[in-house]
Amino acid sequence: NAGVTQTPKFQVLKTGQSMTLQCAQDMNHNSMYWYRQDPGMGLRLIYYSASEGTTDKGEVPNGYNVSRLNKREFSLRLESAAPSQTSVYFCASSPTDEKLFFGSGTQLSVL
Amino acid sequence: QKEVEQDPGPLSVPEGAIVSLNCTYSNSAFQYFMWYRQYSRKGPELLMYTYSSGNKEDGRFTAQVDKSSKYISLFIRDSQPSDSATYLCAMSYGTGTASKLTFGTGTRLQVTL
Repeated sequence: NAGVTQTPKFQVLKTGQSMTLQCAQDMNHNSMYWYRQDPGMGLRLIYYSASEGTTDKGEVPNGYNVSRLNKREFSLRLESAAPSQTSVYFCASSPTDEKLFFGSGTQLSVL
Repeated sequence: QKEVEQDPGPLSVPEGAIVSLNCTYSNSAFQYFMWYRQYSRKGPELLMYTYSSGNKEDGRFTAQVDKSSKYISLFIRDSQPSDSATYLCAMSYGTGTASKLTFGTGTRLQVTL
């Protein structure tokens, strides 16, 4: 089973460029999440979608937008990348509780 | 002060040792407690999931919750080199959604031959 699939795995951007991180899950989960992981800061929630058609801000939403395209797919967009957005990004999904299933991550560098 | 505190390590132990990983927290409203294991360059995977106080055992892993002390532990018996990873604790109020999940920063464990 694929579980949660994220693309791309690595990306280098210049300041001001835009990009979209893609995420898809095949577990029929209702909820999907985007986190960023930084040294010493742990995992921080950027945005989440409790169900198809809804999205909500997490702890650190500034500079990001999301789209819940359908039940399977949840994308994260950086409209104008900044060096402070250099991080490892994880997509996750969950059924109806707090148990999270994570993708393998996208390592993003903004120069 | 962070809501959840976790020693970053690294913690280095010989193969076969008993490992104790810990988290302390300040919010007494937390009801659900989790441990995630994260291998290098991979996403976290759920290892243990417990509710309220007490112990839960799964193979070589035991999760312990002491709500009176606001302290949770993960014990690994007969540790193996394959246990080398970063271990993240996480906790929530039990809202039915992970949107309120609070993570520790992780403890890096190295099990040596």
